[in-house]
Amino acid sequence: SQTIHQWPATLVQPVGSPLSLECTVEGTSNPNLYWYRQAAGRGLQLLFYSVGIGQISSEVPQNLSASRPQDRQFILSSKKLLLSDSGFYLCAWRVRGRETQYFGPGTRLLVL
Amino acid sequence: EDQVTQSPEALRLQEGESSSLNCSYTVSGLRGLFWYRQDPGKGPEFLFTLYSAGEEKEKERLKATLTKKESFLHITAPKPEDSATYLCAVQALVEAAGNKLTFGGGTRVLVKP
Repeated sequence: SQTIHQWPATLVQPVGSPLSLECTVEGTSNPNLYWYRQAAGRGLQLLFYSVGIGQISSEVPQNLSASRPQDRQFILSSKKLLLSDSGFYLCAWRVRGRETQYFGPGTRLLVL
Repeated sequence: EDQVTQSPEALRLQEGESSSLNCSYTVSGLRGLFWYRQDPGKGPEFLFTLYSAGEEKEKERLKATLTKKESFLHITAPKPEDSATYLCAVQALVEAAGNKLTFGGGTRVLVKP
């Protein structure tokens, strides 16, 4: 069966510090991968998606970047965090040819 | 632009008191409508996918229905463990943006014993 991991689960970082969040998927090959951000009390906003290694598409201009160095690994990064980067970050995956996306446990980021 | 609006924003129910959540959507051709359940501090858990008007799906006390403009999530005789935020999302028919989902703001459901 497929599983998705995210770490860390919680992160508190000062403004201006770098960021690296990692997502890995097990039990499937060549998935589509997604990064979402969920602000408090709000719906999910798609940040990035990837259809393959090294292929990244950005949905909204922002202070963040994403990379996919391996087939089942998706990384969300920032060189300098802003207060507005605080939120709940969710990674999701989808099997090619199917519609349903499955979400990871999320990372809670607090920028102070 | 695809849009999803969920109502109400919050819903307080007594155990056993059935109710419905609404998801209204605007999309340029619907590929699928999705319902997720999200517990506090956790990632969304997939519940249902609906593809065409008139389709219905059930899981335990939950039943999802779909029309051309909206979807309903019916909760029958809810229990406290049904307390969660329920998210609705749509996927457009046109293959774009990696089959991205557009989410509504969610409905927070609290079921009191």
